[in-house]
Amino acid sequence: DADVTQTPRNRITKTGKRIMLECSQTKGHDRMYWYRQDPGLGLQLIYYSFDVKDINKGEISDGYSVSRQAQAKFSLSLESAIPNQTALYFCATSDPGLAGGPDTQYFGPGTRLTVL
Amino acid sequence: RKEVEQDPGPFNVPEGATVAFNCTYSNSASQSFFWYRQDCRKEPKLLMSVYSSGNEDGRFTAQLNRASQYISLLIRDSKLSDSATYLCVVNARQGFQKLVFGTGTRLLVSP
Repeated sequence: DADVTQTPRNRITKTGKRIMLECSQTKGHDRMYWYRQDPGLGLQLIYYSFDVKDINKGEISDGYSVSRQAQAKFSLSLESAIPNQTALYFCATSDPGLAGGPDTQYFGPGTRLTVL
Repeated sequence: RKEVEQDPGPFNVPEGATVAFNCTYSNSASQSFFWYRQDCRKEPKLLMSVYSSGNEDGRFTAQLNRASQYISLLIRDSKLSDSATYLCVVNARQGFQKLVFGTGTRLLVSP
């Protein structure tokens, strides 16, 4: 079984609809992240959470909200979807690196979202 | 200027060839560097970290040049299965370990 799962894997929705993307992990990591990927752009950080009580905005949080329901679950919501939110969305987890070193991020399989 | 810049490619090489990619980064405070691999429509996966002294993992060699602010990835004896997009990733300590992803370099290995 995959360590990081995302549902749904594909979703087509209409402008103005509310949509939730879910992420679950069995890696036991405290840190979780949501990214979006657009053609020609690098992955952009939307929100990140270092534990269930610690949620922070990333570089492109406008139009999105998140919920950390448990250590293993981190959901991303689009309250009122718009076409320019059409993208590939990835959830990721990580564990703090040793002695403050870098932590490796493990990505889920992605959710392809299309907003019409 | 983008924080992390890569040549998008594609690099078309025959099996068995050696190919190298470079990546430049703008933040001189960057402390950690990585190469991730991403197959088409799949999630990125860590290929290797890049250490100051350079490091090798099988057919893959990564180098870091802090003075010129670039990192490189060398792939020897290319395999068909190496065809993918290679993402240069830089970590800068800005309150937390934020990762900045390049847009990727696409590699196509042909028979």
